[in-house]
Amino acid sequence: EDKVVQSPLSLVVHEGDTVTLNCSYEVTNFRSLLWYKQEKKAPTFLFMLTSSGIEKKSGRLSSILDKKELFSILNITATQTGDSAVYLCAVDSNYQLIWGAGTKLIIKP
Amino acid sequence: GAVVSQHPSWVICKSGTSVKIECRSLDFQATTMFWYRQFPKQSLMLMATSNEGSKATYEQGVEKDKFLINHASLTLSTLTVTSAHPEDSSFYICSARVLAGAHNEQFFGPGTRLTVL
Repeated sequence: EDKVVQSPLSLVVHEGDTVTLNCSYEVTNFRSLLWYKQEKKAPTFLFMLTSSGIEKKSGRLSSILDKKELFSILNITATQTGDSAVYLCAVDSNYQLIWGAGTKLIIKP
Repeated sequence: GAVVSQHPSWVICKSGTSVKIECRSLDFQATTMFWYRQFPKQSLMLMATSNEGSKATYEQGVEKDKFLINHASLTLSTLTVTSAHPEDSSFYICSARVLAGAHNEQFFGPGTRLTVL
């Protein structure tokens, strides 16, 4: 059975801290792994990862995929209160998205 | 727990036909379900919010007569794309909101890929 597991479930840190969010997966036919940020209405696309070891970066956010160990991490450096959100990881397997349960990140000022 | 399923996974239809997509919460009750469209490498676009027993709330720009939503029970919402056209081809994703509190209230389905010829 395909599954995607995110950890931790919730995380509370102070502004300025660096956080690492984890996403591990077991799927039958891996095509890509996607990270989203959800604040209110709809998840906002962050990254799509298909190749192992290549870091994708956007501002203070970065992500990397390890296809051998079947996981990805999302790093956020110098966190700000605006980073507070639920971060979702999804794996495209056979053209279906298998979603993790999300990590709720709270940044305290 | 908190599994959301969608049926069908993939559908190909002719232009002008209608297609129904089901979204089910398998092991929990969901008073609210959401329908999204996703384009490759893009964010999910919220189409409508579906509340059990009442009319759906559509986002601006989404035609309610074209995308019919029915939320007949606490575990099932359906999206019917009426008179589908090629521009309706997309990946449709639903999500369901858990009734009881959880670290994340919303859980997503695997999506339905619609191709209109």
